[in-house]
Amino acid sequence: KNQVEQSPQSLIILEGKNCTLQCNYTVSPFSNLRWYKQDTGRGPVSLTIMTFSENTKSNGRYTATLDADTKQSSLHITASQLSDSASYICVVRAPEDYKLSFGAGTTVTVRA
Amino acid sequence: DAGVTQSPTHLIKTRGQHVTLRCSPISGHKSVSWYQQVLGQGPQFIFQYYEKEERGRGNFPDRFSARQFPNYSSELNVNALLLGDSALYLCASSLLGGGGDTQYFGPGTRLTVL
Repeated sequence: KNQVEQSPQSLIILEGKNCTLQCNYTVSPFSNLRWYKQDTGRGPVSLTIMTFSENTKSNGRYTATLDADTKQSSLHITASQLSDSASYICVVRAPEDYKLSFGAGTTVTVRA
Repeated sequence: DAGVTQSPTHLIKTRGQHVTLRCSPISGHKSVSWYQQVLGQGPQFIFQYYEKEERGRGNFPDRFSARQFPNYSSELNVNALLLGDSALYLCASSLLGGGGDTQYFGPGTRLTVL
């Protein structure tokens, strides 16, 4: 069973609307949690990083939250734009530095 | 500055063949990691190298091997290709490969095994 589960698998939103993506993980303990954006056919790009002591981190219109007690994270996209259409991947790093656990991603499609 | 580069961008092989994928990290980065991303799934960790030494290995068979060169570039080799090896192979570089380091991904190599 994957240690990082994301939901929904995909979603479609209208340009200008907000959306929230969910990430549940079982990796414990963990060093940090990142959200990556992956455009089709491209490598992932880091959006945010949070350690276990951080609750929220913003990067422009992207805001990530973390609840280390419930092992849940969310990524909120505000005022979506067409360029936000991509796959968003939740990644948890275990204390053994090299070990990364990736979620399957949520595919977001923004329509005009 | 150039980002992480990978070659080739696309590759088609047949079962049983061997393939070599190449990665050049960002200048100054000493750590390279390799990931396999099957369509519709998140990347799966294959290897991490730091200063030419293997630092970590994921749950992949011995058909997968890699190495890092003195200039920190890296090669991923896959022998006896199977249909299931068809995937996007991503290379990521970071300064030291440590827990707080950001990994910068290349565009990937799309491998198709027929």
